[in-house]
Amino acid sequence: DAGITQSPRHKVTETGTPVTLRCHQTENHRYMYWYRQDPGHGLRLIHYSYGVKDTDKGEVSDGYSVSRSKTEDFLLTLESATSSQTSVYFCAISAQGTEAFFGQGTRLTVV
Amino acid sequence: EDQVTQSPEALRLQEGESSSLNCSYTVSGLRGLFWYRQDPGKGPEFLFTLYSAGEEKEKERLKATLTKKESFLHITAPKPEDSATYLCAAPGDSGYALNFGKGTSLLVTP
Repeated sequence: DAGITQSPRHKVTETGTPVTLRCHQTENHRYMYWYRQDPGHGLRLIHYSYGVKDTDKGEVSDGYSVSRSKTEDFLLTLESATSSQTSVYFCAISAQGTEAFFGQGTRLTVV
Repeated sequence: EDQVTQSPEALRLQEGESSSLNCSYTVSGLRGLFWYRQDPGKGPEFLFTLYSAGEEKEKERLKATLTKKESFLHITAPKPEDSATYLCAAPGDSGYALNFGKGTSLLVTP
């Protein structure tokens, strides 16, 4: 899986609580991405990073924040989880911002 | 707005019955068209990148082609293990993140 580890793999949380998902890579790739995947919507970009401390918003960034303090780690935080954020979250990495390689995903349920 | 549209949404084939999946895009200044395969419960797996019209790439029973407006993923004599969702994607406005189509769910029956 291209040296990408997502944690946790499954999480159930309550509405209104903060949640942090972690993506760790061992490939030293410059670009890292967070996507969410929902039935009927496909994969949608939440945020991405093009270097340490350099991040930008994607299509569905509201309610999410990210941080990248080291090349290998990219964190996604749901500041106050809502039921609409129940989804499968995928981290991806890319060396040059072209081909992206994906992790196994985190299934998040907000109850 | 850049868009990637895939058709059909779902396709059922018998083993050995060849077919094609379509990906049309309205991206200005295409900087690559990407194909992925996704199995249930797993992350997308990279298959191909195509950069210019007329380019073709092959892997086992899969062949991807690209024109100026669309890409096709041809599946020749498919087997049940080819059953998966196939996704295509193109770089978005930033140039550094992919926009995905909604995918084609392929089922190959014995």
